Amino acid sequence: DAKTTQPTSMDCAEGRAANLPCNHSTISGNEYVYWYRQIHSQGPQYIIHGLKNNETNEMASLIITEDRKSSTLILPHATLRDTAVYYCIVRAYTGANSKLTFGKGITLSVRP
Amino acid sequence: GAVVSQHPSRVICKSGTSVKIECRSLDFQATTMFWYRQFPKQSLMLMATSNEGSKATYEQGVEKDKFLINHASLTLSTLTVTSAHPEDSSFYICSAGPGPHEQYFGPGTRLTVT
Repeated sequence: DAKTTQPTSMDCAEGRAANLPCNHSTISGNEYVYWYRQIHSQGPQYIIHGLKNNETNEMASLIITEDRKSSTLILPHATLRDTAVYYCIVRAYTGANSKLTFGKGITLSVRP
Repeated sequence: GAVVSQHPSRVICKSGTSVKIECRSLDFQATTMFWYRQFPKQSLMLMATSNEGSKATYEQGVEKDKFLINHASLTLSTLTVTSAHPEDSSFYICSAGPGPHEQYFGPGTRLTVT
């Protein structure tokens, strides 16, 4: 699976949008972009995934560039509870045994 | 969303003993479950892929005789840490998915070996 690069950390003010970038310049055509987050001492939580088109759900929006070499996760109105480590993962789905490989992620700190 | 549970949430055991951790998918069936380990301030490391009715597939460097995995039903996988040592102290997390894309993670089990 292609490697991803994320900044180490970022912060944003409560109520503002948090834009988390991810580079995946070696992504292949059949690889999806996934975002998970992990709040301290808990298991990771699925946020969103996409292939080519931008995606939106109740938690976030995923913007994928046209060349698919980078993406941005957008939390539209960050709250203190959004403070977590966010992982951008690229993976080709090849069946039920398809693995998720976690990198170091980006630590988002939401300040009051 | 789908729910995955783990039991126990915390366990303390003595060096040399074995500990069993359970992972259950509560509202869906999972032919495949994954087991991860996470050391403090580090990311999740995949240990093994658990397949219902067949042998688990272990990642390179993970000892299959030390970390026994049993996936006896479509809703339960267990990880047994045998002859535990202090260096096995870690946060163990399982995951499963009802479909091809979303993986749901358990809350994790904090193992401390004294």
